[in-house]
Amino acid sequence: GAGVSQTPSNKVTEKGKYVELRCDPISGHTALYWYRQSLGQGPEFLIYFQGTGAADDSGLPNDRFFAVRPEGSVSTLKIQRTERGDSAVYLCASSWDRAREQFFGPGTRLTVL
Amino acid sequence: AQKVTQAQTEISVVEKEDVTLDCVYETRDTTYYLFWYKQPPSGELVFLIRRNSFDEQNEISGRYSWNFQKSTSSFNFTITASQVVDSAVYFCALSDLRGQAGTALIFGKGTTLSVSS
Repeated sequence: GAGVSQTPSNKVTEKGKYVELRCDPISGHTALYWYRQSLGQGPEFLIYFQGTGAADDSGLPNDRFFAVRPEGSVSTLKIQRTERGDSAVYLCASSWDRAREQFFGPGTRLTVL
Repeated sequence: AQKVTQAQTEISVVEKEDVTLDCVYETRDTTYYLFWYKQPPSGELVFLIRRNSFDEQNEISGRYSWNFQKSTSSFNFTITASQVVDSAVYFCALSDLRGQAGTALIFGKGTTLSVSS
Protein backbone atom coordinates (compact mmCIF):
# COMPACT_ATOMS: atom_id res chain seq x y z
CA GLY A 1 0.00 0.00 0.00
CA ALA A 2 0.96 3.62 -0.31
CA GLY A 3 0.56 4.64 3.31
CA VAL A 4 2.35 3.95 6.57
CA SER A 5 1.48 0.53 7.94
CA GLN A 6 1.79 -0.74 11.50
CA THR A 7 1.52 -4.20 12.95
CA PRO A 8 -0.08 -5.52 14.99
CA SER A 9 -3.14 -3.30 15.14
CA ASN A 10 -3.83 -4.50 18.66
CA LYS A 11 -1.56 -6.08 21.23
CA VAL A 12 -2.61 -7.34 24.63
CA THR A 13 0.13 -8.44 26.98
CA GLU A 14 0.74 -9.06 30.64
CA LYS A 15 2.72 -6.86 32.95
CA GLY A 16 6.40 -7.67 32.77
CA LYS A 17 6.35 -9.08 29.25
CA TYR A 18 8.36 -7.89 26.24
CA VAL A 19 6.65 -6.50 23.13
CA GLU A 20 7.69 -5.41 19.66
CA LEU A 21 5.71 -3.02 17.51
CA ARG A 22 6.48 -2.71 13.81
CA CYS A 23 6.26 0.25 11.44
CA ASP A 24 6.59 0.18 7.66
CA PRO A 25 6.93 3.77 6.38
CA ILE A 26 6.01 5.21 3.02
CA SER A 27 8.54 4.14 0.44
CA GLY A 28 11.29 6.74 0.00
CA HIS A 29 10.62 8.56 3.25
CA THR A 30 13.90 8.96 5.11
CA ALA A 31 12.47 10.40 8.31
CA LEU A 32 10.56 8.12 10.68
CA TYR A 33 8.94 9.01 14.00
CA TRP A 34 7.31 7.18 16.87
CA TYR A 35 4.66 8.83 19.03
CA ARG A 36 2.47 7.62 21.87
CA GLN A 37 -1.13 8.72 22.29
CA SER A 38 -3.04 8.25 25.52
CA LEU A 39 -6.81 8.53 25.70
CA GLY A 40 -8.01 12.10 25.31
CA GLN A 41 -4.55 13.46 24.58
CA GLY A 42 -2.55 14.48 21.56
CA PRO A 43 0.30 12.29 20.38
CA GLU A 44 3.58 12.66 22.28
CA PHE A 45 6.94 12.30 20.59
CA LEU A 46 9.12 9.32 21.44
CA ILE A 47 11.93 9.00 18.90
CA TYR A 48 13.03 10.21 15.47
CA PHE A 49 15.10 8.36 12.87
CA GLN A 50 16.88 9.90 9.94
CA GLY A 51 17.89 6.95 7.81
CA THR A 52 19.19 4.16 10.03
CA GLY A 53 20.23 6.26 12.97
CA ALA A 54 18.17 7.48 15.90
CA ALA A 55 18.76 11.23 15.56
CA ASP A 56 16.67 12.13 18.58
CA ASP A 57 15.46 9.73 21.28
CA SER A 58 14.76 12.36 23.91
CA GLY A 59 11.08 11.45 24.10
CA LEU A 60 11.61 7.85 25.21
CA PRO A 61 10.25 7.70 28.78
CA ASN A 62 12.91 5.36 30.19
CA ASP A 63 15.41 2.67 29.26
CA ARG A 64 12.72 0.01 28.89
CA PHE A 65 11.92 1.58 25.53
CA PHE A 66 14.17 1.08 22.54
CA ALA A 67 13.72 1.39 18.78
CA VAL A 68 15.71 0.31 15.74
CA ARG A 69 15.66 0.92 12.01
CA PRO A 70 18.50 -1.27 10.74
CA GLU A 71 18.07 -0.81 7.00
CA GLY A 72 16.60 2.67 6.96
CA SER A 73 13.08 1.51 6.20
CA VAL A 74 11.09 -0.66 8.62
CA SER A 75 11.36 0.28 12.28
CA THR A 76 10.62 -1.71 15.42
CA LEU A 77 9.74 -0.20 18.77
CA LYS A 78 10.66 -2.52 21.61
CA ILE A 79 9.33 -2.32 25.14
CA GLN A 80 10.83 -4.45 27.90
CA ARG A 81 9.18 -5.36 31.21
CA THR A 82 5.92 -3.72 30.22
CA GLU A 83 3.93 -1.82 32.81
CA ARG A 84 0.23 -0.97 32.93
CA GLY A 85 1.14 2.68 32.35
CA ASP A 86 2.56 1.74 28.95
CA SER A 87 -0.97 1.09 27.68
CA ALA A 88 -1.63 3.53 24.84
CA VAL A 89 -1.82 3.79 21.08
CA TYR A 90 1.64 3.83 19.53
CA LEU A 91 1.78 5.79 16.32
CA CYS A 92 4.39 5.76 13.62
CA ALA A 93 4.84 8.56 11.07
CA SER A 94 7.15 9.17 8.14
CA SER A 95 8.09 12.15 5.99
CA TRP A 96 10.39 13.14 3.11
CA ASP A 97 12.59 15.09 5.46
CA ARG A 98 12.51 16.53 8.92
CA ALA A 99 10.65 19.75 8.10
CA ARG A 100 7.97 18.26 5.93
CA GLU A 101 4.52 17.06 6.91
CA GLN A 102 4.41 13.71 8.65
CA PHE A 103 2.09 10.96 7.48
CA PHE A 104 0.77 8.72 10.21
CA GLY A 105 -0.01 5.03 10.33
CA PRO A 106 -3.15 3.58 11.92
CA GLY A 107 -1.35 2.87 15.18
CA THR A 108 -0.92 -0.13 17.46
CA ARG A 109 -3.17 -0.21 20.50
CA LEU A 110 -1.14 -1.71 23.34
CA THR A 111 -2.93 -2.96 26.42
CA VAL A 112 -0.91 -4.14 29.39
CA LEU A 113 -2.92 -6.18 31.87
CA ALA B 1 9.24 25.93 26.04
CA GLN B 2 7.23 24.90 23.02
CA LYS B 3 3.54 24.54 23.66
CA VAL B 4 0.25 24.29 21.77
CA THR B 5 -3.05 25.16 23.40
CA GLN B 6 -6.43 24.21 22.03
CA ALA B 7 -8.78 25.73 24.56
CA GLN B 8 -11.93 24.24 23.07
CA THR B 9 -12.28 20.66 24.26
CA GLU B 10 -15.55 19.92 22.48
CA ILE B 11 -17.71 21.77 19.97
CA SER B 12 -21.13 20.72 18.73
CA VAL B 13 -22.75 22.26 15.68
CA VAL B 14 -25.57 21.50 13.32
CA GLU B 15 -24.86 20.73 9.70
CA LYS B 16 -24.23 23.77 7.48
CA GLU B 17 -23.04 25.91 10.36
CA ASP B 18 -19.59 27.46 10.17
CA VAL B 19 -17.20 26.54 12.97
CA THR B 20 -13.78 27.84 14.02
CA LEU B 21 -11.27 25.79 15.95
CA ASP B 22 -8.76 27.83 17.92
CA CYS B 23 -5.06 27.15 18.27
CA VAL B 24 -2.53 29.21 20.21
CA TYR B 25 1.14 28.30 20.27
CA GLU B 26 4.29 29.26 22.15
CA THR B 27 7.80 29.07 20.78
CA ARG B 28 11.07 30.96 21.00
CA ASP B 29 12.11 29.81 17.53
CA THR B 30 11.93 32.26 14.65
CA THR B 31 11.62 29.41 12.16
CA TYR B 32 8.89 26.92 12.84
CA TYR B 33 6.01 25.12 11.19
CA LEU B 34 2.40 24.76 12.18
CA PHE B 35 0.11 21.89 11.25
CA TRP B 36 -3.46 20.75 11.53
CA TYR B 37 -4.42 17.08 11.61
CA LYS B 38 -7.80 15.39 11.65
CA GLN B 39 -8.42 12.19 13.60
CA PRO B 40 -11.76 10.64 12.59
CA PRO B 41 -13.40 7.89 14.67
CA SER B 42 -11.37 5.32 12.73
CA GLY B 43 -8.33 6.70 14.57
CA GLU B 44 -5.84 7.44 11.79
CA LEU B 45 -4.40 10.95 11.81
CA VAL B 46 -4.94 12.73 8.51
CA PHE B 47 -2.71 15.63 7.51
CA LEU B 48 -4.60 18.80 6.58
CA ILE B 49 -2.13 21.67 6.30
CA ARG B 50 1.44 22.77 6.99
CA ARG B 51 2.37 26.44 7.34
CA ASN B 52 5.81 27.91 7.86
CA SER B 53 6.44 30.84 10.17
CA PHE B 54 7.40 33.21 7.37
CA ASP B 55 4.19 32.83 5.45
CA GLU B 56 1.26 34.58 7.10
CA GLN B 57 -0.95 34.40 4.08
CA ASN B 58 -4.29 32.80 4.87
CA GLU B 59 -5.11 29.60 3.06
CA ILE B 60 -8.34 28.22 1.73
CA SER B 61 -8.95 24.68 0.57
CA GLY B 62 -12.55 23.99 -0.34
CA ARG B 63 -14.62 24.39 2.82
CA TYR B 64 -11.50 24.65 4.97
CA SER B 65 -9.61 27.85 5.72
CA TRP B 66 -6.78 28.74 8.04
CA ASN B 67 -5.90 32.05 9.64
CA PHE B 68 -2.30 32.44 10.81
CA GLN B 69 -1.48 35.51 12.93
CA LYS B 70 2.02 35.76 14.35
CA SER B 71 1.08 38.83 16.38
CA THR B 72 -1.25 36.74 18.51
CA SER B 73 0.57 33.39 18.03
CA SER B 74 -2.58 31.85 16.67
CA PHE B 75 -3.34 29.46 13.84
CA ASN B 76 -7.10 29.04 13.70
CA PHE B 77 -9.02 26.64 11.49
CA THR B 78 -12.47 27.35 10.07
CA ILE B 79 -14.82 24.86 8.47
CA THR B 80 -17.51 26.48 6.37
CA ALA B 81 -20.89 24.80 5.94
CA SER B 82 -19.96 21.89 8.19
CA GLN B 83 -20.99 18.36 7.33
CA VAL B 84 -21.50 15.23 9.41
CA VAL B 85 -18.34 13.78 7.90
CA ASP B 86 -16.37 16.59 9.52
CA SER B 87 -17.01 15.01 12.92
CA ALA B 88 -13.59 14.15 14.32
CA VAL B 89 -10.90 15.24 16.72
CA TYR B 90 -8.78 18.01 15.28
CA PHE B 91 -5.23 18.57 16.41
CA CYS B 92 -3.05 21.61 15.97
CA ALA B 93 0.70 20.93 16.11
CA LEU B 94 3.95 22.87 16.17
CA SER B 95 7.22 21.57 14.83
CA ASP B 96 10.20 21.65 17.10
CA LEU B 97 13.14 21.73 14.74
CA ARG B 98 15.66 20.91 17.50
CA GLY B 99 18.58 22.23 15.54
CA GLN B 100 19.97 19.67 13.16
CA ALA B 101 18.77 16.66 15.06
CA GLY B 102 15.16 16.30 14.20
CA THR B 103 11.63 17.53 14.06
CA ALA B 104 9.19 16.43 16.69
CA LEU B 105 5.61 17.54 16.40
CA ILE B 106 4.20 19.05 19.56
CA PHE B 107 0.46 18.52 19.61
CA GLY B 108 -2.32 20.28 21.41
CA LYS B 109 -4.86 18.19 23.29
CA GLY B 110 -7.29 18.35 20.40
CA THR B 111 -10.79 19.65 19.84
CA THR B 112 -13.60 17.17 19.36
CA LEU B 113 -16.02 18.42 16.74
CA SER B 114 -19.47 16.87 16.52
CA VAL B 115 -21.65 17.79 13.57
CA SER B 116 -25.25 16.66 13.73
CA SER B 117 -27.71 16.48 10.86
